[in-house]
Amino acid sequence: DGGITQSPKYLFRKEGQNVTLSCEQNLNHDAMYWYRQDPGQGLRLIYYSQIVNDFQKGDIAEGYSVSREKKESFPLTVTSAQKNPTAFYLCASREDGVSGANVLTFGAGSRLTVL
Amino acid sequence: DQQVKQNSPSLSVQEGRISILNCDYTNSMFDYFLWYKKYPAEGPTFLISISSIKDKNEDGRFTVFLNKSAKHLSLHIVPSQPGDSAVYFCAASEGGGTYKYIFGTGTRLKVLA
Repeated sequence: DGGITQSPKYLFRKEGQNVTLSCEQNLNHDAMYWYRQDPGQGLRLIYYSQIVNDFQKGDIAEGYSVSREKKESFPLTVTSAQKNPTAFYLCASREDGVSGANVLTFGAGSRLTVL
Repeated sequence: DQQVKQNSPSLSVQEGRISILNCDYTNSMFDYFLWYKKYPAEGPTFLISISSIKDKNEDGRFTVFLNKSAKHLSLHIVPSQPGDSAVYFCAASEGGGTYKYIFGTGTRLKVLA
């Protein structure tokens, strides 16, 4: 089955620690995205990558870093510089439709809690 | 500055009736719009999309309407079913190959049996 796998599903971190969230897709999509969901704030874009070895900052990139060394992988590191890291993190990839439809497919998410 | 707004945080509808979820945007460069449905602790799932060259798109019980002059889109669900109870997000992207998708804050729909 094709899809996006995020791991771990739940993660606890002490303040001051960096943590990396994994995102792997076997959909052969070129573009991948990271969003953060907080209560009442919808989904906010952290980083996105349209092609291997290239990525762009989203609206809330401060305190986060990414890499895109392989087409199928787009890990997100939450650094100690991120002031409020407790959130639900969602990874997505984009299908470029032949009819012009460009749909994001999401993973199941990772919940990060800072203790 | 919130470029995509869903001003109703929640909506309750009786089973079998129509659910109408609204979304407003401020960026006139947005040319592609999507609706997603989300259950707690899961990723959003795609429902329906519309390009700015259209004003209506239909898929089964779901219809999306786009009013470009008002910068407004709406999702109609007819008839509403209890399984439709979820949070619904609208999203928008600009043309020109940017593919940066901006999401609204979501509307929680509750369909009452």
